[in-house]
Amino acid sequence: SQTIHQWPATLVQPVGSPLSLECTVEGTSNPNLYWYRQAAGRGLQLLFYSIGIDQISSEVPQNLSASRPQDRQFILSSKKLLLSDSGFYLCAWSVTGSKYEQYFGPGTRLTVT
Amino acid sequence: AQSVTQLGSHVSVSEGALVLLRCNYSSSVPPYLFWYVQYPNQGLQLLLKYTSAATLVKGINGFEAEFKKSETSFHLTKPSAHMSDAAEYFCAVSDRRTAGNKLTFGGGTRVLVKP
Repeated sequence: SQTIHQWPATLVQPVGSPLSLECTVEGTSNPNLYWYRQAAGRGLQLLFYSIGIDQISSEVPQNLSASRPQDRQFILSSKKLLLSDSGFYLCAWSVTGSKYEQYFGPGTRLTVT
Repeated sequence: AQSVTQLGSHVSVSEGALVLLRCNYSSSVPPYLFWYVQYPNQGLQLLLKYTSAATLVKGINGFEAEFKKSETSFHLTKPSAHMSDAAEYFCAVSDRRTAGNKLTFGGGTRVLVKP
């Protein structure tokens, strides 16, 4: 069966520090991968999605970036965090050609101080 | 463009009462529709999905939803609320215009279950 991992589970970082969040999927090949953010009271916002290695699309302009160094690994990064980057970050995956259902990881709670 | 509207950001129900969460969508193509549930500090879990088969869809935990094309709705119901149903619920519609199986989510409805 497929599983998705995210780490760390929680993170407290000062403003201006770098960020690296990691997501790994097991048990499937060539998944579509997604990064979402939930800010307090603001619902679920799609940040990036990837349909393959080196194929990453950005949905909103921001100081975040994403990379996919391996087929089942998706990384969210920032060079300098802002207070507004605080939130709950969720990684998700789906099967290419499937009927669109996405499966979510457990999330990372980021607090920028 | 795809969009999802969930009526009511908060819903309060008594234990044993009907749970009804409303979702209306907009889509330029026949949609796939989903309901997800999120418990505090956890990821989203798929409750059920409509993918153009039966219009009444049954999901996990006793939930079901009915696709009504004429009303562009996909409301979620459960006949009898349980304390464990307290969570946030998200409706989502597929974005079939581009590659990547993207979903557009509604703003969510937080359910409080009173004993």
